Amino acid sequence: GAGVSQSPRYKVTKRGQDVALRCDPISGHVSLYWYRQALGQGPEFLTYFNYEAQQDKSGLPNDRFSAERPEGSISTLTIQRTEQRDSAMYRCASSLDRYGQEQFFGPGTRLTVL
Amino acid sequence: GESVGLHLPTLSVQEGDNSIINCAYSNSASDYFIWYKQESGKGPQFIIDIRSNMDKRQGQRVTVLLNKTVKHLSLQIAATQPGDSAVYFCAERRPNTGNQFYFGTGTSLTVIP
Repeated sequence: GAGVSQSPRYKVTKRGQDVALRCDPISGHVSLYWYRQALGQGPEFLTYFNYEAQQDKSGLPNDRFSAERPEGSISTLTIQRTEQRDSAMYRCASSLDRYGQEQFFGPGTRLTVL
Repeated sequence: GESVGLHLPTLSVQEGDNSIINCAYSNSASDYFIWYKQESGKGPQFIIDIRSNMDKRQGQRVTVLLNKTVKHLSLQIAATQPGDSAVYFCAERRPNTGNQFYFGTGTSLTVIP
């Protein structure tokens, strides 16, 4: 079956622009996690959802970052007024249960802010 | 071969040998742990998990050991193969922070044919 997909795979934007990153989880998966991963580091938690409800957004760096999952399936991570320090790999993962066990990761979106 | 995780992030082993990758975690409340394998250019791939009420769990060629006393987790890979070359991350779930998962820095495993 299809795994977690993310789009776009690569995004280059200019500083100050807004970007929207999309995650399409495995069908039927309850929880959806967003992570940011720097080169050579492990994923860093940003936020997660159970169904459409955002359970925890304490990992979002600041209020320029937001996420939604309005119908409990596809999720969008939005970064407003991008800055160079936002450049990173953004990864999405989904899990069948609400506790985030056995998460399946997507291929990620490589964001580069010029 | 054996690594000490954060202190020795690179591990090289001969094909056919057993590998041991170590991970220290910091939160005594963590109740669930996962090992992930990440190949170059790909997302992390689930390998095996263990709950805090267990001290050992075995999968196919892999074994995870959990020592809660010293907050230490290890991944043992039997008969290491070239396809095992990757970066390995441990992740802990901290229930006192909701269901956030915290990942370690990772250990790069290189298998020498």
